[in-house]
Amino acid sequence: KQEVTQIPAALSVPEGENLVLNCSFTDSAIYNLQWFRQDPGKGLTSLLLIQSSQREQTSGRLNASLDKSSGRSTLYIAASQPGDSATYLCAVSKDRGSTLGRLYFGRGTQLTVWP
Amino acid sequence: GAVVSQHPSRVICKSGTSVKIECRSLDFQATTMFWYRQFPKQSLMLMATSNEGSKATYEQGVEKDKFLINHASLTLSTLTVTSAHPEDSSFYICSARVQCTGNTISFGEGSWLTVV
Repeated sequence: KQEVTQIPAALSVPEGENLVLNCSFTDSAIYNLQWFRQDPGKGLTSLLLIQSSQREQTSGRLNASLDKSSGRSTLYIAASQPGDSATYLCAVSKDRGSTLGRLYFGRGTQLTVWP
Repeated sequence: GAVVSQHPSRVICKSGTSVKIECRSLDFQATTMFWYRQFPKQSLMLMATSNEGSKATYEQGVEKDKFLINHASLTLSTLTVTSAHPEDSSFYICSARVQCTGNTISFGEGSWLTVV
């Protein structure tokens, strides 16, 4: 069974810091890995999607890397801002075929960026 | 594009009643939708995979008679929590596989259920 672990569970930093959020998964046979943002009481916003054949993806101040063989991914947030405060979720898609799209989630990292 | 709309966003119901949550794909056809549940401070856990025109596939430990899933059209899947109890209070969220964009996943906004 695929298990996804995120470290740290919570992070509180001053504005401007560069951050690294970690995600690990037990089964390296993944189809893709995705990072989401979840604001309190809200749904999910997809941040970055990395296919299993890719090593990293970038979007603005966000950079996600994937090391499939070791079962790890990191989300790098540059120059953090108070608006980045949210819970960041890592999810992997393991299956192909008819169940493609089924995601296995970590518990998330709750990020607080204070001014 | 690829918008998934979920309704209602929040619902409070009395113990013993049933609640229906709808998940609609607004601008694409979704043959497969997924229903997740998230308890406070926990990760999202898949409850079931909903396939248009066929029975849903439930995850181990999820009671199919309690959580009724219907996917009668290519744009609508519904989750009905029957005989709700306070322990069913949770955040329920659906997602849909978007085949025309290389099987990306779009999530609904989620539904907060409180059973009193």
